[in-house]
Amino acid sequence: KAGVTQTPRYLIKTRGQQVTLSCSPISGHRSVSWYQQTPGQGLQFLFEYFSETQRNKGNFPGRFSGRQFSNSRSEMNVSTLELGDSALYLCASSGASGVITDTQYFGPGTRLTVL
Amino acid sequence: AQSVTQPDIHITVSEGASLELRCNYSYGATPYLFWYVQSPGQGLQLLLKYFSGDTLVQGIKGFEAEFKRSQSSFNLRKPSVHWSDAAEYFCAVGPRAGGFKTIFGAGTRLFVKA
Repeated sequence: KAGVTQTPRYLIKTRGQQVTLSCSPISGHRSVSWYQQTPGQGLQFLFEYFSETQRNKGNFPGRFSGRQFSNSRSEMNVSTLELGDSALYLCASSGASGVITDTQYFGPGTRLTVL
Repeated sequence: AQSVTQPDIHITVSEGASLELRCNYSYGATPYLFWYVQSPGQGLQLLLKYFSGDTLVQGIKGFEAEFKRSQSSFNLRKPSVHWSDAAEYFCAVGPRAGGFKTIFGAGTRLFVKA
């Protein structure tokens, strides 16, 4: 069974641009969560989608948004990029039931650099 | 406020020595508790988790953790460390209902010396 895949793996953007990151969960998984990892703030929860609906949201500005498609693939979008958005963005998927007792499997991440 | 504290930013142990990584949490109610490991350039991997029952939880790679409600702690232990255990370890908590909204600690980087 293939793991969680994230594309692209590396991305360089300039301030003010927008970016879209993609996450393909493990087949059959319906919950997809996104996290931002930076040296200063650590791992922070962005949002979680389950069956195409945002179920949970972290404390990030509205510039950060996401969506989930009917095949459970998810995208996150960051508009008007700031230097502080440079980070490793991790996606995690969990099982068909979408309960927290399911194990979350993480992808390798997308490394975003904002210049 | 909900938070997870890992007081040790980094720890160095000799190969073969025992290991204990500390974790304390602040949460409105007893959360679900997790330990993850992240090797350089890799995503996170779940080591173990605690939901209920026996407060001593066994995980993968020979790790175990003990939940102590009175101390709001969930410390990770391993009796004998291997060089391949060098990585960053994250303690995390999550709600018991309503899906995933995981809060992570700042992490403890483990160095293993020969």
